[in-house]
Amino acid sequence: SQQGEEDPQALSIQEGENATMNCSYKTSINNLQWYRQNSGRGLVHLILIRSNEREKHSGRLRVTLDTSKKSSSLLITASRAADTASYFCATDVLTGANSKLTFGKGITLSVRP
Amino acid sequence: GAGVSQSPSNKVTEKGKDVELRCDPISGHTALYWYRQSLGQGLEFLIYFQGNSAPDKSGLPSDRFSAERTGGSVSTLTIQRTQQEDSAVYLCASSLYRGLGYGYTFGSGTRLTVV
Repeated sequence: SQQGEEDPQALSIQEGENATMNCSYKTSINNLQWYRQNSGRGLVHLILIRSNEREKHSGRLRVTLDTSKKSSSLLITASRAADTASYFCATDVLTGANSKLTFGKGITLSVRP
Repeated sequence: GAGVSQSPSNKVTEKGKDVELRCDPISGHTALYWYRQSLGQGLEFLIYFQGNSAPDKSGLPSDRFSAERTGGSVSTLTIQRTQQEDSAVYLCASSLYRGLGYGYTFGSGTRLTVV
């Protein structure tokens, strides 16, 4: 079963609008991270939020984490055409040596100029 | 180097041939990861290295897949007797330490096409 699942699968907005993307997960986490991927190649780390944090900001990005609901949201404010990409949430579950970052299937964001 | 380097960037191979993919992580990063991404899909974990050892290789899909890391640096992922279902983008990532909340730095990937 998928640890991290993003919602919606695809999002299309007008430049200047805000984009909100959600992620739900199943098991307890050490931290949750959001990544961006352009053109199906390498992912770029955007922001990390630890399990004891509730909200974090980085430039136009705002991430929230609700561990009671096992969910996170990524808000991109004042979107730009250059924000068009796929966005992935990834959960970090630290359990001894068998630990890894587990990614969801991603959200395709299209920002129309 | 400044980032994670992967080579080759593209590889087309005939079914049944062996391929070797290389990853050069950021200097000093002790943790190294291999993921696979099929068209339009999320990332599938393959293997994780801490130094030269691989505490978690649970994601390797079959015994045709193997990986090693030497000198706590360069890693190679080898796929023997390639099959068409092996076609995917193979992504390598490194991070400073495992489990202390560091994000991963990804390479640009190797796009493998098995014909």
